[in-house]
Parts: sequence; C-alpha cells; structure tokens
Amino acid sequence: ETGVTQTPRHLVMGMTNKKSLKCEQHLGHNAMYWYKQSAKKPLELMFVYSLEERVENNSVPSRFSPECPNSSHLFLHLHTLQPEDSALYLCASSQGLDTGELFFGEGSRLTVL
Amino acid sequence: GQNIDQPTEMTATEGAIVQINCTYQTSGFNGLFWYQQHAGEAPTFLSYNVLDGLEEKGRFSSFLSRSKGYSYLLLKELQMKDSASYLCAVRDSNYQLIWGAGTKLIIKP
Repeated sequence: ETGVTQTPRHLVMGMTNKKSLKCEQHLGHNAMYWYKQSAKKPLELMFVYSLEERVENNSVPSRFSPECPNSSHLFLHLHTLQPEDSALYLCASSQGLDTGELFFGEGSRLTVL
Repeated sequence: GQNIDQPTEMTATEGAIVQINCTYQTSGFNGLFWYQQHAGEAPTFLSYNVLDGLEEKGRFSSFLSRSKGYSYLLLKELQMKDSASYLCAVRDSNYQLIWGAGTKLIIKP
C-alpha cells in the first residue's frame, strides 16, 4: 500500500469510447503526475500538477485530457484513443516538485481495441 | 539528449550477490533514484544518492560516481522475492526525472 490508489486497474475500450482514469493520494502531497509505461521502454512523463496547477504537458496528444480538481485527486480523460495507446498508466505523487521521491499507484492497464 | 542506460535483463541465483549498473548522461544532476517494480505492481522507492559513495540499506546498497555518470544497485543474499524490475532515474538540472528502461532481474533457485 503506497498511499496512492488508481481505478480502474484494467480497462478495455474501443477507439470511439470515452473513459476516465482516476487517481487518489492519501499522503498530503502537493505534486501529482501521470506516466505512461510501455514494455521495455522508460517511463514517459505525461502531465505534472503542483497544487492543482498544471506545470508540465510533455507534448501529449489532445486525446488525453488531465483534470486535477484538488490536491488529492487526479483524472485522465480518454477519448478516441489509438491501439498504440495501450499501456500501463501510472499515477504518482510527491511532497513537492523537486523534493522527495515519487510514490506510485499500481497503475491502470489500458487496452485499446 | 538525455540518456539512462541499464541492462535489459539479468539472471542470478538465490543466495548470491548481483550488481545492476546504470550509466547516465543528463543536463545537470540533482540526485539518482532506484525503484523496484514487481510484475503488475507499483514501482516502490529503494534508494537515493546525491553525493558520491555507497549508501547501504539492509541487503540493498547503492553506489554513485558523479564524475563517471555511473551508479550501481547491489543486492546481497538474493531471495526469490527479489525477482522484479529495477528502475534507475536521474533528476536533472530542471528537477525533471529521467528514467531508464529498467532491468528485469530473474532469480533462480
């Protein structure tokens, strides 16, 4: 138990569907992150939020839309995805943007048909 | 460009010692992290090095040489539960984390 909870753990969707991934952290951290993890590739940083403000958007396609309603919750809204978007999506939090280690959730395994 | 290199896969025997290397080329350096990730689970923090030398934590130790852009994770008295992927990450001058692709460690009885 890392203090970061992600739902759903598994998601299968068609290319025309709209779905959302949810992340909640119980650690009182100020920064939250979305990462994409594909087999045998480094973690890819997608979005970073600090105190609910987006501070990083690493050239992510607009079919991925993040939302951070408060410092404990982070969403990733998905629409018209492509099969190559199939991957493990990891949420993480840290005390601050440049302090402390990241605490990860167990990830949402996404399959796009 | 920024780059982290680590072996893709390693195999070791239960009870033995294994060293997982990580070399990096980054824009600046503000610390190096090692994470462990079991299959289907979250990566979990193992160690942090910001100064040269060895940091020991139980069966696991991590070494850093900033001048060589090099680190290693040393695992002693290997147990079957140590079978996992080990991720190396460097925090650059902008405090961004640059990740390696991970080393899958297979422990055999």
